[in-house]
Amino acid sequence: EAGVTQSPTHLIKTRGQQATLRCSPISGHTSVYWYQQALGLGLQFLLWYDEGEERNRGNFPPRFSGRQFPNYSSELNVNALELEDSALYLCASSKPGQMQETQYFGPGTRLLVL
Amino acid sequence: AQSVSQHNHHVILSEAASLELGCNYSYGGTVNLFWYVQYPGQHLQLLLKYFSGDPLVKGIKGFEAEFIKSKFSFNLRKPSVQWSDTAEYFCAVRGSSNTGKLIFGQGTTLQVKP
Repeated sequence: EAGVTQSPTHLIKTRGQQATLRCSPISGHTSVYWYQQALGLGLQFLLWYDEGEERNRGNFPPRFSGRQFPNYSSELNVNALELEDSALYLCASSKPGQMQETQYFGPGTRLLVL
Repeated sequence: AQSVSQHNHHVILSEAASLELGCNYSYGGTVNLFWYVQYPGQHLQLLLKYFSGDPLVKGIKGFEAEFIKSKFSFNLRKPSVQWSDTAEYFCAVRGSSNTGKLIFGQGTTLQVKP
């Protein structure tokens, strides 16, 4: 069974640009989660999508946004990039429905903002 | 505010030594608890989880963790570490209110010397 996949693996942007990161969940999973792993800040929850809807977002500004497509894949968009957005962005997925579901993580996209 | 604290940031052990990594959380309700591991060059993987029932849970590769509710702790243990256990270990907690959000500790880097 294929795991969570993310693309691209690396992304270099300049300040003020927009970045788009993509995630494909494990087959049969309908929930997708995004996390930011910035140096010195640890893993922080960004967004949760389930059945195409945004269910929850972490303490991040509105320029962090995303969407979930009918096939349950997801995009994370970061507008007006700032230097401090440089980080590893992890996507995770889980099965539908129950609260007690485990999140399985992808390899991440490393974003560097110059 | 909900938080997770991992007491050891960097641990160095010799092979065959016993391991205990501390994890304490702050949350005023029922929780789900997780330990994830990130081996060098690999993505975050689930080591073990606690949802309910027996507070002593066993995971992959000989790891176990004990949930002590009165101490808000979920320490990870392994009786005899191997060089291949060299990795970064993350404790995470999720509240029962189904926000989808995992709150992670800062991580502990374990280095096992052969």
